[in-house]
Amino acid sequence: AQSVTQLGSHVSVSEGALVLLRCNYSSSVPPYLFWYVQYPNQGLQLLLKYTTGATLVKGINGFEAEFKKSETSFHLTKPSAHMSDAAEYFCAVTSGWTGNNRKLIWGLGTSLAVNP
Amino acid sequence: DAGVTQSPTHLIKTRGQQVTLRCSPKSGHDTVSWYQQALGQGPQFIFQYYEEEERQRGNFPDRFSGHQFPNYSSELNVNALLLGDSALYLCASSWAGEDTQYFGPGTRLTVL
Repeated sequence: AQSVTQLGSHVSVSEGALVLLRCNYSSSVPPYLFWYVQYPNQGLQLLLKYTTGATLVKGINGFEAEFKKSETSFHLTKPSAHMSDAAEYFCAVTSGWTGNNRKLIWGLGTSLAVNP
Repeated sequence: DAGVTQSPTHLIKTRGQQVTLRCSPKSGHDTVSWYQQALGQGPQFIFQYYEEEERQRGNFPDRFSGHQFPNYSSELNVNALLLGDSALYLCASSWAGEDTQYFGPGTRLTVL
């Protein structure tokens, strides 16, 4: 079985400060990992994903994440927070089913607040 | 190019009723997945449809059923609604052979 743990249900940073949202996963097979963002009353938008290859992946809006197999982590970072980054962030991992269109297993989410 | 669309946006039902939610996938996508997101929670996988068949199913009772049409659009049906079915229902579409799922804005279901 696969699972995702997001450490910190709420994170608050000042505008211009580093953003670090933590995600640890458990998987018996090589994982595919995703970060999605959800703005209030909206659906989920893909920020970035790791499948294979380079372990440091860059996404939209200046976000990036690094896959660390030894630490089973996929933390999301952004060097300088912007007010518009305030949202709910979800980390997800694919299931162990091999094949296309794996179902996504989700963390509980981290609410990011950006203070002026 | 329209993204994933869902209808209706909001829905209010009473316990015991039945509801149908609709989803149109992104152009070129042939796979539709449905998720339930309770307030303050992460999404939970309900099921996935490909080639008009249910390909995978999460831990949801048989009250939750679905359908995929030849044009790849999909419906989620929930019978005998319970208060606990109140949630945001998200539809995601993807193309077979690619791992990224693209989400619609969701349908907010409230069961009274």
